[in-house]
Amino acid sequence: GDSVTQMEGPVTLSEEAFLTINCTYTATGYPSLFWYVQYPGEGLQLLLKATKADDKGSNKGFEATYRKETTSFHLEKGSVQVSDSAVYFCALSDRGGYGGATNKLIFGTGTLLAVQP
Amino acid sequence: DAGVTQSPTHLIKTRGQQVTLRCSPKSGHDTVSWYQQALGQGPQFIFQYYEEEERQRGNFPDRFSGHQFPNYSSELNVNALLLGDSALYLCASSLVGQGYTEAFFGQGTRLTVV
Repeated sequence: GDSVTQMEGPVTLSEEAFLTINCTYTATGYPSLFWYVQYPGEGLQLLLKATKADDKGSNKGFEATYRKETTSFHLEKGSVQVSDSAVYFCALSDRGGYGGATNKLIFGTGTLLAVQP
Repeated sequence: DAGVTQSPTHLIKTRGQQVTLRCSPKSGHDTVSWYQQALGQGPQFIFQYYEEEERQRGNFPDRFSGHQFPNYSSELNVNALLLGDSALYLCASSLVGQGYTEAFFGQGTRLTVV
């Protein structure tokens, strides 16, 4: 079945460092891809998304490009801040559900990012 | 806009008991999905409700059941609780229609089974 694999954490960086969190996926169809962020004690927030190959999602300085040839969706940020410390989840959405519009999400195991001042 | 609201926020139950968790979707949304997030893991899809029917189901036993009401709110019921059911339960709402719409998550209900 469909699955998502992301790099294990924790990832510890100094403020203003460059961030990369790797994510690869396995899917039979043409999934949409997402990065969600979870701050301590909170639910999930959508960070960015891409719905087709070569799309680039971006938000709050974070970027990820949907690479069909390498089945990847790596998250990057040029300069991290302490406030970026959180758990980041890569996810895909299959299109097998009703209406094909918004369907179940399949998540990776999450990567804890800790940014030190 | 209140967003997705879940209740209660925390819950402690004893093995063998039954529990009901509640979710109110974001205004305008008609689809509710439930996820289980064990400590240190990613969320796992339990099931999805649309038009008061279960439309998709993940790999969870029949002890997990749900319901959707005419106002689109939803309940998750878990019977015969096991210690392994301890987790954060997340509700996500979305809108079925043409094209993609984002799933919005609630803050979750932290269930502890002792």
